[in-house]
Amino acid sequence: AQSVTQPDIHITVSEGASLELRCNYSYGATPYLFWYVQSPGQGLQLLLKYFSGDTLVQGIKGFEAEFKRSQSSFNLRKPSVHWSDAAEYFCAVGGSSNYQLIWGAGTKLIIKP
Amino acid sequence: DAGVIQSPRHEVTEMGQEVTLRCKPISGHNSLFWYRQTMMRGLELLIYFNNNVPIDDSGMPEDRFSAKMPNASFSTLKIQPSEPRDSAVYFCASSTGPNTEAFFGQGTRLTVV
Repeated sequence: AQSVTQPDIHITVSEGASLELRCNYSYGATPYLFWYVQSPGQGLQLLLKYFSGDTLVQGIKGFEAEFKRSQSSFNLRKPSVHWSDAAEYFCAVGGSSNYQLIWGAGTKLIIKP
Repeated sequence: DAGVIQSPRHEVTEMGQEVTLRCKPISGHNSLFWYRQTMMRGLELLIYFNNNVPIDDSGMPEDRFSAKMPNASFSTLKIQPSEPRDSAVYFCASSTGPNTEAFFGQGTRLTVV
């Protein structure tokens, strides 16, 4: 079955600390992987995506993610978070022949001052 | 470009009333998606249009829901009659293709009382 698991519903980190949000997927074909961010009351915005090539992907706002095929993971990282990073983060997977993305349940990031 | 524009941003209606949500995709985008977001079910794809043609409406919950895309710059999602369980945030997203970056509108928060 195709699925995306974001095991952490909430994560709290101190401002300036590093961040890693986990994403594991199950997908029967070569995956296309995405991370989106949703600020309160807003729509979703693409942070980064992986289709092929270098498994370490750089995105906007200082985020990066690493695709690890052997672990079926696509974890999102940031070396130093800012209060403005407080939001909900969604991981999604799709395929080249499939328009429908499979979405994770999201991880809410809380920043401690 | 102003991005994907949805209207209204908020809608409160009584059970049994007809509700129409509107979406203007980004000019030049040929794929359009309607999503529903709830706490319980997360993000659900309701319907996908490609070049104004509905490709997949299997996510539409029931016959009370209908969607149209009369031209490349406008789409509607209609609920008739509305029920309290339809309360959710409805997002419209557009892209240049099924597995390219999807740009989301700010959503319509629907409350059915």
